[in-house]
Amino acid sequence: AAGVIQSPRHLIKEKRETATLKCYPIPRHDTVYWYQQGPGQDPQFLISFYEKMQSDKGSIPDRFSAQQFSDYHSELNMSSLELGDSALYFCASSYWTDSTDTQYFGPGTRLTVL
Amino acid sequence: EDQVTQSPEALRLQEGESSSLNCSYTVSGLRGLFWYRQDPGKGPEFLFTLYSAGEEKEKERLKATLTKKESFLHITAPKPEDSATYLCAVHQTGNQFYFGTGTSLTVIP
Repeated sequence: AAGVIQSPRHLIKEKRETATLKCYPIPRHDTVYWYQQGPGQDPQFLISFYEKMQSDKGSIPDRFSAQQFSDYHSELNMSSLELGDSALYFCASSYWTDSTDTQYFGPGTRLTVL
Repeated sequence: EDQVTQSPEALRLQEGESSSLNCSYTVSGLRGLFWYRQDPGKGPEFLFTLYSAGEEKEKERLKATLTKKESFLHITAPKPEDSATYLCAVHQTGNQFYFGTGTSLTVIP
C-alpha cells in the first residue's frame, strides 16, 4: 500500500540558508500535518491543512511557512535557518473513516543545520 | 497549563508479562487522544484515536481506554517485537496538538 512520502530524506544546510521540505500524502487523505522532533524529544506540532486550507497552527516559527497544493502535496518552507532547527521533520496524512481519524506518518526528513 | 504526561518513562517487561502505560492530560477541550508507537529514527506509527470518556479500542495485544483525565494503553502478553517508545498526543479544541514524552518499553525474551 502507498505510504506518506517525504523528500528529501536528509538535508544539510548552513545557518541563515533556506530549506524546503516536501510531503506527498497517501491518496485520498484530506489532511496533512507537519511535526518537528528534536533529538530525544517528543514531536512538536507545527501546522496542518485540511482540503488545501490551513486548519490548525501549532508552534511554528514565523520563519517557517507551509502550504498545500492542488494535488494535495504539501511543502514546509524554512528560512533564516538556525542551529536549533536541526531536527527530524515528520509529515503525516489522515482521513476520517469508521468514526475515527486515522493518521499515517512519513519516514521524516532529517535536517542538519551547520 | 495544558500538558500531557506519560508514565512510566521507561518500562522493562518479561515476555508475556502484561502491563499498562498511562497518559494523563490537563488539556482544556479534547478533540481526540492519539496513541502511537515509535521505533528509533522512524516516524510514529498510528495505533488508536479515542474521542470520549469510556471509549475503548483494541488491536492485537494492545487495548486503549480513555477517561476524562487519562488514557491507558494495556499491553497483554507482550512480545519482544512490541519494544518501542509509545507516545500519546492530545488534539485540543483550540487546535493544538500536545504530545507526551513517551514511554520506552523493552520486552525481554
